[in-house]
Amino acid sequence: DVKVTQSSRYLVKRTGEKVFLECVQDMDHENMFWYRQDPGLGLRLIYFSYDVKMKEKGDIPEGYSVSREKKERFSLILESASTNQTSMYLCASSSSWEGSPGEQYFGPGTRLTVT
Amino acid sequence: DAKTTQPPSMDCAEGRAANLPCNHSTISGNEYVYWYRQIHSQGPQYIIHGLKNNETNEMASLIITEDRKSSTLILPHATLRDTAVYYCIVSLSLVIYNQGGKLIFGQGTELSVKP
Repeated sequence: DVKVTQSSRYLVKRTGEKVFLECVQDMDHENMFWYRQDPGLGLRLIYFSYDVKMKEKGDIPEGYSVSREKKERFSLILESASTNQTSMYLCASSSSWEGSPGEQYFGPGTRLTVT
Repeated sequence: DAKTTQPPSMDCAEGRAANLPCNHSTISGNEYVYWYRQIHSQGPQYIIHGLKNNETNEMASLIITEDRKSSTLILPHATLRDTAVYYCIVSLSLVIYNQGGKLIFGQGTELSVKP
C-alpha cells in the first residue's frame, strides 16, 4: 500500500515564524503535491513537483515555497507565517508511469494554526 | 471549476448498498471519472476511476452510463466506517498532471451510514 506521511498532525506557530511542513512517500512516485483545504473552498493546489528539484506553481503559490531534494521527500515552506495561512495542509503523491491510473494518494494532513 | 453535480447528503443503513450518483453532462471524450472520499479529519482517499466501462475493485463499483453524462458509485455493503464525504471528479488522466489532468474537489456528497 502507498504510504504518504506528514511530519506533524497539528502545529501551532506565531505570525512571522518560518514554518516547514515535511512530506515523505514510500512508493517511488515521481509526482508530489501540496494542497490546502479550507471550509467552503475545497482543496486548492499550492505547488507540485514532477521530479527531483523540479517544481511548478499551483493555483495559490503566494506566500509559500517548496523544496524537493530527494524523490521521496517534498517540503512546503512558509517563509513568514501569517494568520490567513491557518489551514489544513495535505500532501499527495502519484505515479507518472503511463500505465498507471495516475491517482493521487494523500497523507493524513497537518492542521496548522498561526496565531 | 468542478464539472460535476452531486447531492449534498445521503443516508444509508448499515449493511445495505450505498448508491452515490454524479452528473457530469459536459464530460469530454478523453476525461475520466475519479471518485475519492474523505473521512472527517483525514486526507482524501482514492476509491476508483473509469473512462467508459464499468469498473469494480475491492472497495466499490463504478457504473458509467453509455452516454457518459452520469455515473454511480456503489458501496455494496456499507459499514459505519464508510461515513465520509464522497467526491466525484472529472479530469484528464492524472498521469499527465502538468498537461491538464487536475483534481478539483467540489462539495461532494456527505454519506451517513446509520446502524
